[in-house]
Amino acid sequence: AQSVTQPDIHITVSEGASLELRCNYSYGATPYLFWYVQSPGQGLQLLLKYFSGDTLVQGIKGFEAEFKRSQSSFNLRKPSVHWSDAAEYFCAVTIPLTGGGNKLTFGTGTQLKVEL
Amino acid sequence: GAGVSQSPSNKVTEKGKDVELRCDPISGHTALYWYRQSLGQGLEFLIYFQGNSAPDKSGLPSDRFSAERTGGSVSTLTIQRTQQEDSAVYLCASSFRQITDTQYFGPGTRLTVL
Repeated sequence: AQSVTQPDIHITVSEGASLELRCNYSYGATPYLFWYVQSPGQGLQLLLKYFSGDTLVQGIKGFEAEFKRSQSSFNLRKPSVHWSDAAEYFCAVTIPLTGGGNKLTFGTGTQLKVEL
Repeated sequence: GAGVSQSPSNKVTEKGKDVELRCDPISGHTALYWYRQSLGQGLEFLIYFQGNSAPDKSGLPSDRFSAERTGGSVSTLTIQRTQQEDSAVYLCASSFRQITDTQYFGPGTRLTVL
């Protein structure tokens, strides 16, 4: 079955430090992968997505992610974290649905805390 | 332009009551999705609409849950005879139809069943 694993439930980094959030997926076909961010009381905001082509994708807010098929991974990175990056981060893979749509299957999320 | 909106933002109800949650998608988006976010289950898909039709309802947890969409726009998720395990944040998302199209999420409705 298709699934997404985010092995880190909580991560704490100091402001200005680099960040890497891990994501592993299990999917039989070519995966379409996403990272979303959720601030408290807010909906999900798309950071970046990968469909094909260049395996290093750039997103908003200075985030990037690298697709590694051999490792079934899609890790999210940021060179220098800002206090405003504190939030919960979700990795997701999209699964085709009956009728032409597609559903997002999410990992359990990684809660990021930023120390000043 | 306007994003996805949901109402109410918070809903507190008593066990056994019916509730209706509303979603206004982004104008022009033909696909609409409902998801549920709960502590125990994480984020899970409930139902997908294409236009006014719901070709995939596979995520609805029981027959107490139903949804409809009218005019290819507004959608309502109805939960009948609410149970405490229905307490969660219900998120709506909309997109264009292609699998590569981004789903844009609303802020959610937090449902608390007492």
